Amino acid sequence: EAQVTQNPRYLITVTGKKLTVTCSQNMNHEYMSWYRQDPGLGLRQIYYSMNVEVTDKGDVPEGYKVSRKEKRNFPLILESPSPNQTSLYFCASSSPGSGYNEQFFGPGTRLTVL
Amino acid sequence: AQSVTQLGSHVSVSEGALVLLRCNYSSSVPPYLFWYVQYPNQGLQLLLKYTSAATLVKGINGFEAEFKKSETSFHLTKPSAHMSDAAEYFCAVSATSGSRLTFGEGTQLTVNP
Repeated sequence: EAQVTQNPRYLITVTGKKLTVTCSQNMNHEYMSWYRQDPGLGLRQIYYSMNVEVTDKGDVPEGYKVSRKEKRNFPLILESPSPNQTSLYFCASSSPGSGYNEQFFGPGTRLTVL
Repeated sequence: AQSVTQLGSHVSVSEGALVLLRCNYSSSVPPYLFWYVQYPNQGLQLLLKYTSAATLVKGINGFEAEFKKSETSFHLTKPSAHMSDAAEYFCAVSATSGSRLTFGEGTQLTVNP
């Protein structure tokens, strides 16, 4: 089954404790992206990657890091989480065949930073 | 730069009634426009997309949207709401094929029995 998976689905942590949210897709998509969803703000892009070893900042990259060492994986790293990073996070992927626009989303990771 | 405005963060309709969710966009070039749906505790799923072909676009689950350049709008409609349509709906715009998606704030649709 074609899908985007994220782990963990739920995470409660404390300020300053480094964490990684994993994202993996099995569709051989070149493009991958991370969004955060906050009430009243919709989805805002954090980082995206056009291909392996190619990443770029989205609209709200501060406090986040990403890497793209393999085509299928695109982890999101919070080196020193803060309470304002409490949010619902989505990973998405797409391919040139859809013009990169038809994005497939993972189920989401709900992060709480205390 | 492109942007999207969804009018109404919450819309409530009765089962069987018309669903109308409003989306206006801003783009300096001909846009690509999308509607996504998010069911509770799930990721987003593509409902339909406009990519400069037919201005009336049909999507899944009986939804359709019409691109109106003169009004810079891409409103989502469904003739008869079902209980299963209750979800959050997001309009999104992309300036060109291959560029980033910009999402609206979302509209929560409630369907009353």
